[in-house]
Amino acid sequence: SQTIHQWPATLVQPVGSPLSLECTVEGTSNPNLYWYRQAAGRGLQLLFYSVGIGQISSEVPQNLSASRPQDRQFILSSKKLLLSDSGFYLCAWNDQGGEQFFGPGTRLTVL
Amino acid sequence: RKEVEQDPGPFNVPEGATVAFNCTYSNSASQSFFWYRQDCRKEPKLLMSVYSSGNEDGRFTAQLNRASQYISLLIRDSKLSDSATYLCVVGSNYQLIWGAGTKLIIKP
Repeated sequence: SQTIHQWPATLVQPVGSPLSLECTVEGTSNPNLYWYRQAAGRGLQLLFYSVGIGQISSEVPQNLSASRPQDRQFILSSKKLLLSDSGFYLCAWNDQGGEQFFGPGTRLTVL
Repeated sequence: RKEVEQDPGPFNVPEGATVAFNCTYSNSASQSFFWYRQDCRKEPKLLMSVYSSGNEDGRFTAQLNRASQYISLLIRDSKLSDSATYLCVVGSNYQLIWGAGTKLIIKP
């Protein structure tokens, strides 16, 4: 069966510090991978998606970037965090537009 | 107009009652439809897919109306454990568009 891992679960970072969040998927090959952000009390905002290694599409211009160095690894990064980057970051995967399955998320607080 | 719209609620419903949510979408070419459930501070989890013919899973029934471009979710005999935010999701190709969710509170 497929599983998706995210870490860390919670993170508190100062403004201007770098960020690296990692997501890995097990039990499937060539999944579509997604990064979402959810602000408190709000819906999911798609940040990036990837349909293959090295292929990244950005949905929202911002100071975040994503990379997919391996088939089942998706990384979200920032060189300098802003206060507005605080939120709940969710990684998800699916096959060919079917339902998406989510990791447990990382709750990021930027102070 | 938002691509996927939901009433944010909250819906305050007594235990045992029936409750229904609607969700409208703007892209008539949408191909896939889902309801997800999200508990507080947790990741969304798939509740059910929505098929053209409608589908039922226990106390939950989902319907799709392509002509009017909405999907619905009906919960019968609601339980305290049904309290959550229900997210409507509409997709085409590889991308899913998420509604902001409807908050449901079941009261004893």
